Amino acid sequence: EPEVTQTPSHQVTQMGQEVILRCVPISNHLYFYWYRQILGQKVEFLVSFYNNEISEKSEIFDDQFSVERPDGSNFTLKIRSTKLEDSAMYFCASKPPGQPHSPLHFGNGTRLTVT
Amino acid sequence: AQSVTQPDIHITVSEGASLELRCNYSYGATPYLFWYVQSPGQGLQLLLKYFSGDTLVQGIKGFEAEFKRSQSSFNLRKPSVHWSDAAEYFCAVGGTDYKLSFGAGTTVTVRA
Repeated sequence: EPEVTQTPSHQVTQMGQEVILRCVPISNHLYFYWYRQILGQKVEFLVSFYNNEISEKSEIFDDQFSVERPDGSNFTLKIRSTKLEDSAMYFCASKPPGQPHSPLHFGNGTRLTVT
Repeated sequence: AQSVTQPDIHITVSEGASLELRCNYSYGATPYLFWYVQSPGQGLQLLLKYFSGDTLVQGIKGFEAEFKRSQSSFNLRKPSVHWSDAAEYFCAVGGTDYKLSFGAGTTVTVRA
């Protein structure tokens, strides 16, 4: 069964550094999402993306965050200047078009540790 | 505003016993409801979903859930738990935009 793939599985970075989290959604999917889960807290919606633009974003998704679909297969989340509080598990998800009752398919996540 | 409450942080159950995980939601319209399971170091795997229709939905691994609109609940059940069911379980609610709100999760421990 096709899967959403996220790389790396674990990323350690220093505060203030830029980090890019990568995701390869399922090939025929056109709706893309990022969620995050700070340790011990709920999974939170960050952003949704469709047709090469952001559909919706949460309050968390401020100017230091950006998303991009640089080619036909990758979907990336960039954090420009990481803070300690950005440490979390980041989940990418995707969904096929034209199927309103098709659920999100999540990747295994990237654990980001900011030191 | 939409939200999910999972009242039980941690449940311990004996192998072979039944399991019920509670989920209460708040949503302004007809909700899409989901249960996901997360094993250590793994992603979120969908167990089952409810969109409309029959209020008792069947999922993978022998799980089922019942949507009760009057109680704003979507409780997850399994008649006989296996050791491999030890994991963290998340209930989630959303709409057609799939901007999901998750509960805090319930950790299930299975004892032999």
